[in-house]
Amino acid sequence: AQSVTQPDIHITVSEGASLELRCNYSYGATPYLFWYVQSPGQGLQLLLKYFSGDTLVQGIKGFEAEFKRSQSSFNLRKPSVHWSDAAEYFCAVGANDYKLSFGAGTTVTVRA
Amino acid sequence: DAGVIQSPRHEVTEMGQEVTLRCKPISGHNSLFWYRQTMMRGLELLIYFNNNVPIDDSGMPEDRFSAKMPNASFSTLKIQPSEPRDSAVYFCASSLASSTNEQYFGPGTRLTVT
Repeated sequence: AQSVTQPDIHITVSEGASLELRCNYSYGATPYLFWYVQSPGQGLQLLLKYFSGDTLVQGIKGFEAEFKRSQSSFNLRKPSVHWSDAAEYFCAVGANDYKLSFGAGTTVTVRA
Repeated sequence: DAGVIQSPRHEVTEMGQEVTLRCKPISGHNSLFWYRQTMMRGLELLIYFNNNVPIDDSGMPEDRFSAKMPNASFSTLKIQPSEPRDSAVYFCASSLASSTNEQYFGPGTRLTVT
């Protein structure tokens, strides 16, 4: 079965600074990979996804992620964070059974 | 598109009462998922349906929980009787089974059982 590890529980970053959130997955074949964002009191919103092809994928809100098969990673990045990026971020991996396995999430705090 | 619709958004009930949560998936989606989110356990998959049929209910905590999907546009999650430990945010998500797992989430129902 597939699984996801997000090593960082909480990250604090200054507004305007860059952000990188780590995600490591475990799956025997090429996975489907996702990043979701959850603002306080809201549902999960899909930021971006990787299925195949170009390993650098662009998403909404200026986010990008890079799939590295050799490292089993799918890290999320943003060059310059805005105060509105404060939220919880979830990495997820899917297989061929239509289910997703979610990581525990990383909470991002943005300081002025 | 209205997205996934859940009701109610907030529910406060007393222990022992029956609670029914509702979900309307995105039109055309044929897979539906119910999740529970708590601080302690994170996001847990409770059950998922494909073409209105329950495929995997291994995440349902116990017999007090039941879920139905009578048609492609409606699903319910029922807790009877409710207990304080059921307090959580319950999310419904839907997907198109051929779209490689991409799921779209509703806004959630925050359940508080006193």
